[in-house]
Amino acid sequence: NAGVTQTPKFRVLKTGQSMTLLCAQDMNHEYMYWYRQDPGMGLRLIHYSVGEGTTAKGEVPDGYNVSRLKKQNFLLGLESAAPSQTSVYFCAIKSHSSSYEQYFGPGTRLTVT
Amino acid sequence: GENVEQHPSTLSVQEGDSAVIKCTYSDSASNYFPWYKQELGKRPQLIIDIRSNVGEKKDQRIAVTLNKTAKHFSLHITETQPEDSAVYFCAASPDAGNMLTFGGGTRLMVKP
Repeated sequence: NAGVTQTPKFRVLKTGQSMTLLCAQDMNHEYMYWYRQDPGMGLRLIHYSVGEGTTAKGEVPDGYNVSRLKKQNFLLGLESAAPSQTSVYFCAIKSHSSSYEQYFGPGTRLTVT
Repeated sequence: GENVEQHPSTLSVQEGDSAVIKCTYSDSASNYFPWYKQELGKRPQLIIDIRSNVGEKKDQRIAVTLNKTAKHFSLHITETQPEDSAVYFCAASPDAGNMLTFGGGTRLMVKP
């Protein structure tokens, strides 16, 4: 999992502020995902990408935007943060369409006050 | 969409005992069922998975069983050790691991 990094590790935002979370991988994997994990709950898929230049909505996409301009980077943007977006955000990667396993990054803890 | 239910939410066992965690899913098209272990403050880590063409898979002390007819799958941990203490998540996917839907998690506590 050393090949997946997330920046920043922690962040505190005020309501209405914007920010971008970065997921970077050096494993040349095609598929990348963004999940959120709320306290005591499982992970929920926000957006995902099946390759450079592609993005798709997951289970809970509202309030977030994503971009995959380079294969190794997947950006998650919050244009106007809300307290309901306080969560831990995990990025995950998957090698290609015929592989099944997703591997997770270390996470970003975001608090919106 | 897919819905995954996981039980129990907490499980306490004595060291050396077995632990069983169960999940049910709603989408009969789901064909991939991974299990993740998450220690406090850490990332989820894949520990075992099973595909819909297999009924059981084992890896040392952990095993997973799948009943496609009943749409449920289970994680079995034998000879539990304190380092097995963590939160375990099941998940299901209808498209080869692409769109994962997670269960709510089970906190396993292994008492020495």
